[in-house]
Amino acid sequence: QKEVEQDPGPLSVPEGAIVSLNCTYSNSAFQYFMWYRQYSRKGPELLMYTYSSGNKEDGRFTAQVDKSSKYISLFIRDSQPSDSATYLCAMLRGYSSASKIIFGSGTRLSIRP
Amino acid sequence: GAGVSQSPRYKVAKRGQDVALRCDPISGHVSLFWYQQALGQGPEFLTYFQNEAQLDKSGLPSDRFFAERPEGSVSTLKIQRTQQEDSAVYLCASSSGQNGYTFGSGTRLTVV
Repeated sequence: QKEVEQDPGPLSVPEGAIVSLNCTYSNSAFQYFMWYRQYSRKGPELLMYTYSSGNKEDGRFTAQVDKSSKYISLFIRDSQPSDSATYLCAMLRGYSSASKIIFGSGTRLSIRP
Repeated sequence: GAGVSQSPRYKVAKRGQDVALRCDPISGHVSLFWYQQALGQGPEFLTYFQNEAQLDKSGLPSDRFFAERPEGSVSTLKIQRTQQEDSAVYLCASSSGQNGYTFGSGTRLTVV
């Protein structure tokens, strides 16, 4: 069993819809939770990162962490075609420059105009 | 430079050939990571450097994989006697520990 599980999709929604992306994890040692966006033929870029359970909002994006259930989510409001990409959840055991990131397998998202 | 630069962007190798992939991290970044991303999968950790010291190589899949960072800046990932299962995108990331990790665009390796 992988430490981080993510539904690979693909997920296709119409423009303007609310998108919900989710991951579960098994290792309670994870403390930092991130969402990366990866466009085709590009490297992952950090969208959001959270430390504690609860919600964190940044513009149209909301990250949610439930440590008791080992479940994290990313919500995208008013989705745009430019949001079409692969979204990777990612986790760290501790936040230092030496910490290696553990990624989910990614969910491919397509926003239809 | 402004970002992490990787070269070449694409590499086609015949099975059994040796390849070398280069990573130029952001200037001043102490930490450097290599990840392997197979098609349709998330990146998987290969190895980590702090300056010139390779502190973690637990993710290297076999002794055909070798990485170095001799002067604590540019890093090279070398794969000897490439095999088809080595086909993947190889990502490099650097970090200063304060602003998170910055990934390069990767090198797409195809072994034929």
